[in-house]
Amino acid sequence: TQLLEQSPQFLSIQEGENLTVYCNSSSVFSSLQWYRQEPGEGPVLLVTVVTGGEVKKLKRLTFQFGDARKDSSLHITAAQPGDTGLYLCAGAKAGGFKTIFGAGTRLFVKA
Amino acid sequence: EAEVAQSPRYKITEKSQAVAFWCDPISGHATLYWYRQILGQGPELLVQFQDESVVDDSQLPKDRFSAERLKGVDSTLKIQPAELGDSAMYLCASSPNTGITGELFFGEGSRLTVL
Repeated sequence: TQLLEQSPQFLSIQEGENLTVYCNSSSVFSSLQWYRQEPGEGPVLLVTVVTGGEVKKLKRLTFQFGDARKDSSLHITAAQPGDTGLYLCAGAKAGGFKTIFGAGTRLFVKA
Repeated sequence: EAEVAQSPRYKITEKSQAVAFWCDPISGHATLYWYRQILGQGPELLVQFQDESVVDDSQLPKDRFSAERLKGVDSTLKIQPAELGDSAMYLCASSPNTGITGELFFGEGSRLTVL
């Protein structure tokens, strides 16, 4: 059974701090996505990583895919209150149709 | 910008009643997904369609849940009878490909409360 574990489950930080959240699995994925979800809304796609070791940057967000394509991290530099939300990682296996989600990391950035 | 449309946004019902949710995916997206998200958890796949065909419904409680996508465009998810444990956010998503890259575009969701 595929399982994506995210850590930490909850993170509360001050505006301006840096943070890293993790997504780990024992399975290999052909691609991995990060989504951000605000309360009462659907998840919004942030980024897709497909190559082992790949690093992608989206303004203050840096995403990395592990060399073995089993894990990923999201680093936020100088967090802002607008970064508050639930960050979900999701993985898709090669040739398969099913995308599975982790339980998410709930981030709260205090002004 | 094209969006996935869902309705209703909110539904309150009593247990044993029937409930239906509707989803209209982004035009041209062949793959449509229904996920259930319980508060504090990640989305869990209920059913996945490729055009009008079901490709995965292994996690759909078929004794009470049904889903259809008759013309390969919009879709309906039905629960009958609803139970207290069905209270959750029901998310519809679509994808322009066969799921190889796994990029999903979600609607705003339908929040169900069963009393």
